[in-house]
Order: sequence, then C-alpha cells, then structure tokens
Amino acid sequence: NAGVTQTPKFRILKIGQSMTLQCTQDMNHNYMYWYRQDPGMGLKLIYYSVGAGITDKGEVPNGYNVSRSTTEDFPLRLELAAPSQTSVYFCASSYDLAFFGQGTRLTVV
Amino acid sequence: KQEVTQIPAALSVPEGENLVLNCSFTDSAIYNLQWFRQDPGKGLTSLLLIQSSQREQTSGRLNASLDKSSGRSTLYIAASQPGDSATYLCAASYSGAGSYQLTFGKGTKLSVIP
Repeated sequence: NAGVTQTPKFRILKIGQSMTLQCTQDMNHNYMYWYRQDPGMGLKLIYYSVGAGITDKGEVPNGYNVSRSTTEDFPLRLELAAPSQTSVYFCASSYDLAFFGQGTRLTVV
Repeated sequence: KQEVTQIPAALSVPEGENLVLNCSFTDSAIYNLQWFRQDPGKGLTSLLLIQSSQREQTSGRLNASLDKSSGRSTLYIAASQPGDSATYLCAASYSGAGSYQLTFGKGTKLSVIP
C-alpha cells in the first residue's frame, strides 16, 4: 500500500526556472492538499482539492498553480521560481485521517 | 481565521517519564483534531484523530484528549522512550467553502534522554 507518493525528493532550481512537483495517492481520497513547511513557521496550505476538476487556493497560493484531472494525481506547478519558494513541500490526502507524502526539498538559487 | 498554538516549542525529558504536550485552537467549531509525528527529514505520520464529538482517543502509550469549550487538546505519552524523540504537531480541521482544511501548530520538538 503506497499511500501518498511525491516526486522528486530533492531539487535545485535556478531563479526563473519552472518545475512540477508530482503527487499521487492510491487510497481513492477526494481531498488532497499541498503544504509548504519552513523552519519555525509550521505548515502553510498552498492549494487544496475536494475532487477531480475542483481546486482552490489556500493560505499562500502566489507563485503556484495546481490541477486535478484525476482522483489520484494532484501536481503542483511552480512558475518563475524565486528564492522565497525554497522550502519543503508536502502533499497530503484525506478522508478523515490525513496521509502525507515524504516531502520534496526544493532549493531555489 | 483558525489559529493553532503548541507550547512548549521544545521539551527534553528522561526516559521513562510520562509527559503531556499541549495544543490550543481559537475556533471551537472544529471538525476534528489530529496529532502527527514528524521525524527529521521525513513526512508526517498520523498518530491519533479525535472527532469533534469525542473527548479522547487512545493508541498504545498515547492518549489524546479534546476540550472544545476551552479550545484545547493534549497528547499524553506514557513511559517515554528514546524512540519517541520527534516533533509532534497538532492540526485542527474545520469546514470552510465546502472542504475540510487542516490548520497546523508549529510543533513541539521532544527529546527523550536515555
């Protein structure tokens, strides 16, 4: 049972580059989330989705985009990467209990 | 806006001690409250989930309580072990715009000294 799988685990981007963080879950959960975690700041919600085709902004959506074409997949797109996007990114899915992926550590230089 | 606070930010205890981690939230209209464990460089692992209609949940040496009226939850760890060393986060789930969103505290970093 894979749960929530995120790729890649690590990535270094140059300022202005773009990338997509992949997230897939095999638990048939409708709810999926993207969080970023910065030292001393806790987890902040970037975007969330309540089902295929439905997404909405969280607390810190600027500089990011998402899509949800299937129940399983919820990719996060970074356009024009900035140093402020250096962080650890977590994808999660839930019914009641929330299940988290192992995270993507992103550095923008 | 829901805010979740965890105090203390760090805690160090000798092995075998019983301990309590605290979590407070500002909006009592929560859907549920979850406790997570995070090991360094890893994702979050769910420990306990308390529905808004429940008062407590137990799993092994862990017991979590919920008091909505006071906006507080506690995680009790019995007979602590060095393997319990990790950061513990609580998250309050509330209903907004047709979805259920988790708001996290900043966590308590626990060190259990052998």
